[in-house]
Amino acid sequence: AAGVIQSPRHLIKEKRETATLKCYPIPRHDTVYWYQQGPGQDPQFLISFYEKMQSDKGSIPDRFSAQQFSDYHSELNMSSLELGDSALYFCASKGGLAGGSEQFFGPGTRLTVL
Amino acid sequence: GENVEQHPSTLSVQEGDSAVIKCTYSDSASNYFPWYKQELGKRPQLIIDIRSNVGEKKDQRIAVTLNKTAKHFSLHITETQPEDSAVYFCAASIIWGGGATNKLIFGTGTLLAVQP
Repeated sequence: AAGVIQSPRHLIKEKRETATLKCYPIPRHDTVYWYQQGPGQDPQFLISFYEKMQSDKGSIPDRFSAQQFSDYHSELNMSSLELGDSALYFCASKGGLAGGSEQFFGPGTRLTVL
Repeated sequence: GENVEQHPSTLSVQEGDSAVIKCTYSDSASNYFPWYKQELGKRPQLIIDIRSNVGEKKDQRIAVTLNKTAKHFSLHITETQPEDSAVYFCAASIIWGGGATNKLIFGTGTLLAVQP
């Protein structure tokens, strides 16, 4: 079965650079969530989209922005990167009304900021 | 804001013993409680979930209980095996009437070590 795809899987950036993380949800899933997980921490909700509209916003810095495109893939744009942005970034997707409650997580993008 | 507390932070058991992890949530509107297993550097994997209209759910060696009045829910793993060793996260969320699911609020995690 198709799973959530994230790219790239690993990313190394310098401070003050920008990064773009991509997420391709499971086909026919209409909701995408982004989570940030620091070392030894629990995943923290950043932002979510439903049918290409932002549906909720969590502890996402103003330096970050995200959107969901017409094909339902989502991108998380991160600017002015800081050392503290180093983390695992997970995207999760969820099906429509008949899709159940489960959020399916992608493999994550490991971002390292030097 | 919403908060989920999880205990213990680490748990070491002998193979074959039972393990219990407990969580408490703050948002009384929460009605969906999944548990995730996460191995180092991997994605969280759903192992069991429960909705607020059910007090207990079991799937082979794994069970979850929910006390909605006390806002407590617990994960029970019986006959533990070394491959159960991982970090376990509880989470709380809200399922709306139309099927949409809110963000997951995670507990702080429990590192379970099953000693052979």
